[in-house]
Amino acid sequence: DAGVTQSPTHLIKTRGQHVTLRCSPISGHKSVSWYQQVLGQGPQFIFQYYEKEERGRGNFPDRFSARQFPNYSSELNVNALLLGDSALYLCASSLTPDGMNTEAFFGQGTRLTVV
Amino acid sequence: RKEVEQDPGPFNVPEGATVAFNCTYSNSASQSFFWYRQDCRKEPKLLMSVYSSGNEDGRFTAQLNRASQYISLLIRDSKLSDSATYLCVVNRGGSSNTGKLIFGQGTTLQVKP
Repeated sequence: DAGVTQSPTHLIKTRGQHVTLRCSPISGHKSVSWYQQVLGQGPQFIFQYYEKEERGRGNFPDRFSARQFPNYSSELNVNALLLGDSALYLCASSLTPDGMNTEAFFGQGTRLTVV
Repeated sequence: RKEVEQDPGPFNVPEGATVAFNCTYSNSASQSFFWYRQDCRKEPKLLMSVYSSGNEDGRFTAQLNRASQYISLLIRDSKLSDSATYLCVVNRGGSSNTGKLIFGQGTTLQVKP
């Protein structure tokens, strides 16, 4: 069984550009969450989607947006990239939307470098 | 103040040592607690959930003290393969009812031969 898959694995963008990151959850998982992890820090919550609806949003600017598709895959979009957006972007899927006593499975991440 | 705080380390220990990591959380509404392990440049993976009664998985023991809002992880008989970053994670649950996981900064463990 495939785990959580993310694409691309690495990406280099220039300041001001736009980027789209993609995530396919584990089959049967309807909840997808996005996290940003900068070097030396723990992951920080960006968004959660469940059944194609946004259920949670972290403290990130409006340049960050996401959506979930009917097949439960998800995209994270970041506009007007800043150097500070350079990070590992992680997608996590889980069975339940509230994450209570259930494991969140992470993809291998997309390493974004903004130059 | 961060919602979940950990000593970032690094902890450098010899093989066979016992090492303990501590974590505190500030939101008393937190309901689920976990330790995740993250290898260098890899994704986090669940190591174990943490319950008030304490739980053990082989060489790993996790404890939760809700009154003190304190979580611990004990690793006995450390192996070279235990070298990684250990992330303390909480889920608020409750009325917020989202899957938002709140991560600590992570504690780096380096086990030396």
